[in-house]
Amino acid sequence: GAVVSQHPSRVICKSGTSVKIECRSLDFQATTMFWYRQFPKKSLMLMATSNEGSKATYEQGVEKDKFLINHASLTLSTLTVTSAHPEDSSFYICSARAPGLQVNEQFFGPGTRLTVL
Amino acid sequence: DAKTTQPPSMDCAEGRAANLPCNHSTISGNEYVYWYRQIHSQGPQYIIHGLKNNETNEMASLIITEDRKSSTLILPHATLRDTAVYYCIVRANTGNQFYFGTGTSLTVIP
Repeated sequence: GAVVSQHPSRVICKSGTSVKIECRSLDFQATTMFWYRQFPKKSLMLMATSNEGSKATYEQGVEKDKFLINHASLTLSTLTVTSAHPEDSSFYICSARAPGLQVNEQFFGPGTRLTVL
Repeated sequence: DAKTTQPPSMDCAEGRAANLPCNHSTISGNEYVYWYRQIHSQGPQYIIHGLKNNETNEMASLIITEDRKSSTLILPHATLRDTAVYYCIVRANTGNQFYFGTGTSLTVIP
């Protein structure tokens, strides 16, 4: 299957700082990427849908000014957690879909563990 | 919103078949049933999907009832590496987003 990477895999930051997480499709061009958040022992919650070259679509209850998403190229989407607080500590996972691959499949990255002190 | 119901946890003996049920009584005619699994602290991994016919691949089999209101994922010979949370998701083929439910935590016991 197609490969999606995330960087960094783990990050620890101080409260009030901003953190950027990268999601890359390594062997295909992803017109659409998705960002999820997962708290311990909970399921994945979709945060936003990111389309290359346009603004992201956020799920209800997700603050777009706090979770900035940029999908500037067909292989890279970034999620920036601005003014992070301890309650933002979570496992952030991206996924990608691409034309040419089976429309119904999504490929997930390995996740980024964010800890805000 | 998730449209599926799964038991929260199951155990299975190593080498035996693991049968994971999923209820999706409100599934629409154009919605597929997808199964993903997530091993601890990793991203979800695609397993299989189907519309109404039973499906089989190298990982698993998917049995969908005739009324499509429920399905069962079968891992024919479970190994310790199959210990994971298994998610059943319904989505239209033209759909975009996946909405995850609570999943079933499968523990394969030696």
